[in-house]
Amino acid sequence: QVQLVQSGGDVVQPGRSLRLSCAASGFTLTSCAMHWVRQTPGKGLEWVAVISYDASNNYYADSVKGRFTVSRDLAKNILFLDMDSLRPEDTGIYYCAKLEYARIDYWGQGALVTVSS
Amino acid sequence: ETVMTQSPDTLSVSLGERVTLSCRASQGVRNNVLWHQQKHGQAPRVIIYDASTRATGVPARFSGSGSGTEFTLTISDLQSEDCAVYYCQQYDDWPPWTFGQGTKVEI
Repeated sequence: QVQLVQSGGDVVQPGRSLRLSCAASGFTLTSCAMHWVRQTPGKGLEWVAVISYDASNNYYADSVKGRFTVSRDLAKNILFLDMDSLRPEDTGIYYCAKLEYARIDYWGQGALVTVSS
Repeated sequence: ETVMTQSPDTLSVSLGERVTLSCRASQGVRNNVLWHQQKHGQAPRVIIYDASTRATGVPARFSGSGSGTEFTLTISDLQSEDCAVYYCQQYDDWPPWTFGQGTKVEI
């Protein structure tokens, strides 16, 4: 069955970097697109980034463009979100999510990122 | 960007009641709408896709309807385990994929 197990959440200072991981099982990352979605007190659920099944079409929210990068390790079937130049407003719970065509069908359990000095 | 607006923000209901949640899209999104359920302290989960199709394992008391700009999630015979925040989300006009602000269902 499909499972998405996340790790990497932490407390970091503004301006620093952090990598989130999402280990997928029950399917291969080459078979579908994957989202990153975050949940913040101020903005609710906010889509952050998507990587297509072949990684040829990646899109980012304007709020993270140029600072966040989504990638994958196909050998380990792990999805990553690299977050640079973190800001306090990036604080929130980050979820990876599997897509069936353009719609979410499974969510990861979430990882808490706190950006604070 | 398509803005999704949900109403009401909070619904206070009784067990066994029929509950109706609304979601409006700022432009037509055909039937490309998901409903997610998020219980306290948990990740969201998909309960309805394509506006009206129940996800696997979702009880029949949950139903979705609508097309274009107006969508509804109905919970008939509300159970205590249905207390949660419900979010609509469109996947027709992207990027970005956009969510409503959520409706909290409480007893």
